[in-house]
Amino acid sequence: RKEVEQDPGPFNVPEGATVAFNCTYSNSASQSFFWYRQDCRKEPKLLMSVYSSGNEDGRFTAQLNRASQYISLLIRDSKLSDSATYLCVVSKAGKLIFGQGTTLQVKP
Amino acid sequence: NAGVTQTPKFRILKIGQSMTLQCTQDMNHNYMYWYRQDPGMGLKLIYYSVGAGITDKGEVPNGYNVSRSTTEDFPLRLELAAPSQTSVYFCASSYSYAGQLYEQYFGPGTRLTVT
Repeated sequence: RKEVEQDPGPFNVPEGATVAFNCTYSNSASQSFFWYRQDCRKEPKLLMSVYSSGNEDGRFTAQLNRASQYISLLIRDSKLSDSATYLCVVSKAGKLIFGQGTTLQVKP
Repeated sequence: NAGVTQTPKFRILKIGQSMTLQCTQDMNHNYMYWYRQDPGMGLKLIYYSVGAGITDKGEVPNGYNVSRSTTEDFPLRLELAAPSQTSVYFCASSYSYAGQLYEQYFGPGTRLTVT
């Protein structure tokens, strides 16, 4: 089992749609959780940290379920500019473990 | 505040040549990392450092070396370049305190081709 697993997609959605990504992780001792965004041939950039209580940043909502060891990202009112690969990131033993990413394509 | 900077942006090497990829951060982060990313694939950790003078291997360290003589700099050395090392190389840094690991910040990457 991979340490961080994501559905690679692609998720093809129309503008304005709501889309959700899930990510599962194997290390129950993980303490830090993040979602990153990576555009083609660019460096990953932090989208948001994920807190135990869940958190929201504009159209983006992140949830953490420690009991089931999964993290989710919800994007509301999708924009063309949201098209990217979304990386789920979990801490383990002093390192951040990156998932393979989920690709989102938002169509006009 | 420049964040994480990497040089060069692009490089073409011949098989067997050596080179050093430079990485500098100005955020006073204690942790630094080197990743490689092949086309269509995820990030793979090459080496990381938890502070000046301390380095450790990641999942794909063969063919690479690192050093961390200062908090700011974390160069990656490629010895005897091989075509399998053609990739995009990202340097990153982060802060850790009291066992909590905070988010990583990435440099813009170095695109390396070995022919």
